[in-house]
This record gives sequence, structure tokens and C-alpha cells, in this order.
Amino acid sequence: ETGVTQTPRHLVMGMTNKKSLKCEQHLGHNAMYWYKQSAKKPLELMFVYSLEERVENNSVPSRFSPECPNSSHLFLHLHTLQPEDSALYLCASSQATPGLAGGRGTDTQYFGPGTRLTVL
Amino acid sequence: QKEVEQDPGPLSVPEGAIVSLNCTYSNSAFQYFMWYRQYSRKGPELLMYTYSSGNKEDGRFTAQVDKSSKYISLFIRDSQPSDSATYLCAMSAVDSSYKLIFGSGTRLLVRP
Repeated sequence: ETGVTQTPRHLVMGMTNKKSLKCEQHLGHNAMYWYKQSAKKPLELMFVYSLEERVENNSVPSRFSPECPNSSHLFLHLHTLQPEDSALYLCASSQATPGLAGGRGTDTQYFGPGTRLTVL
Repeated sequence: QKEVEQDPGPLSVPEGAIVSLNCTYSNSAFQYFMWYRQYSRKGPELLMYTYSSGNKEDGRFTAQVDKSSKYISLFIRDSQPSDSATYLCAMSAVDSSYKLIFGSGTRLLVRP
């Protein structure tokens, strides 16, 4: 596997279900990101992890819960979602260590293919 | 008002045409400017990256930044059907450079 991979690629869930999205980066990067892409709307940054520490939580509802057990893996745990949460969820990674003291900020973000989530 | 405005298109051009894609923005603190290309059912991939004002060329692609007008452009020369995709502009400020603010994307169709 190369680059950034995401599983599953498609997910359909009911509002009472609990599911998890998985992201893995094979690039040796230090930072990982979750984005939400809704139809005809800009990508919205949800969470940022830098060296496994959460450095950004962009006013995301608590029904989305991220987890970063190590610098290569990122999860997004989902529970009691709403139909308006249906979207493409994109994971990205970068070499930089944003948000940390002395960390280098800007760097290319490499995106995975996304998980297409439908909430019924 | 959105921080970044981008015409959603679709923009349909014949093969070989010069394509111009544009974004305007309102935050004068933005210093990093990027163009991403996103094919259907794929994640965005970085095409061009520019710091502050000026032009940058890479093959058939040229990125321009005009900070005085808060306007950025991507030009594609000799467009190919394989260029058909959605093009996203993104930008960030120096003090929060990892927080990319995206436009909503312009869908481009290059007809053979």
C-alpha cells in the first residue's frame, strides 16, 4: 500500500448505528487530518493530529470522535449521526508538525480517496 | 460572505483550449495559495503551491497570485480530456498555515 488509504470506501448507516472510519498513511508523516466534503460545499477541516496530539477540533459535534493511536493511523468514530452528516470524509497527512510549539506549519497535505458516508 | 469564492462551473472547453480558473478571497492574511485537482471518486491531489504574490509555472500549468486584488488564477495550456476534474483552490495564513481554507471547486470538462 502506498500513500494514504481509507476504509471503508462506502458506508451506509442508520442514525442509531455506531461505526468507525479508518485512515492509514504510509508516508512517514507526522500529522493527520480529517475533512468533510459535502456536495457543492468547500472542504471543511474537522480535526488535526500532530505527533498523535490533537491540535485542532474545529467545532465538530461530539457525535464525531477522532482517535489517533500512532502517527500512521487515524480513526473517526461515528455515533447517532444525522442525515445531514452524509458526505465524503477525507483523511490527509503531512510531514509538518502543525500547532506544536516550534513545529513547522505549512506543508503539502496528501489526501486519501475518502469514505462516502450515507446516513439514513 | 465566504472567505474563498470559486465559480462551481461546470466549465466545458474543447481539447487544446487554454483554461482559466479563478478564486477570490477576503482574508488579507492569506499567504499560502494552492490548487488541488480532484477526479471523481478520488481525493484531492496538489497541483500547484505558491507563497505570496507572483507566478509559478509547471509544465502546462501556471498559477498566479494577485494579493492586491485578492485574486488567484490557474491556467491550463493545451488542455486534455484527462484534465477533466474538479479544481479546488485553497489558501492559508502564516500563523495557521495548516488550516487550509478551500473554495467549493470548479468542475472542468475538456471535450475531445
